[in-house]
Amino acid sequence: EAQVTQNPRYLITVTGKKLTVTCSQNMNHEYMSWYRQDPGLGLRQIYYSMNVEVTDKGDVPEGYKVSRKEKRNFPLILESPSPNQTSLYFCASSFWAGGLAGYNEQFFGPGTRLTVL
Amino acid sequence: SQQGEEDPQALSIQEGENATMNCSYKTSINNLQWYRQNSGRGLVHLILIRSNEREKHSGRLRVTLDTSKKSSSLLITASRAADTASYFCATQETSGSRLTFGEGTQLTVNP
Repeated sequence: EAQVTQNPRYLITVTGKKLTVTCSQNMNHEYMSWYRQDPGLGLRQIYYSMNVEVTDKGDVPEGYKVSRKEKRNFPLILESPSPNQTSLYFCASSFWAGGLAGYNEQFFGPGTRLTVL
Repeated sequence: SQQGEEDPQALSIQEGENATMNCSYKTSINNLQWYRQNSGRGLVHLILIRSNEREKHSGRLRVTLDTSKKSSSLLITASRAADTASYFCATQETSGSRLTFGEGTQLTVNP
């Protein structure tokens, strides 16, 4: 079954304790992205990756790191989490056709609800 | 900053009625996509319309795109209670490779 998986689904942590949220897709997609969703603010992009070893900042990258060492995985790292990073996080992936053809549909993971105390 | 902005922010209708949501954006785009999200869950892709298309249909969904007005609309016909969800538009700008989401329209369909 084609899918994007995220782990963990729920996480409660404390300020300053490093954490990693994993994301994996089994569709051989080039493009992967992380978003955070907060009430009244919609989805905001954190980082995205066009392919292995190619990553770029989105709208709200501060306090986050990513890596893309393999095509299927795109982990999100919070080196020193703070309470303002409490949010619902989504990973997504898509084929990238390039040029004006652009993206096809994005497939979203089920979300990770993070609480930083 | 958000590229797409949905209107209205919230919409409440009766089952069987049609629901129309609008999306406006600021820059030139390659394509525009609509997504649906049930409360607290992942987004699900509904339909994609490219910049050279004006209208697309998928089941009870109809999407229009007016690039001269930089706007799109999503029409859900004969709505059902199960259509209750948040609906988001997302745009891919011609100048880059990012996909940018709006803040969404919360649709409530009352039985």
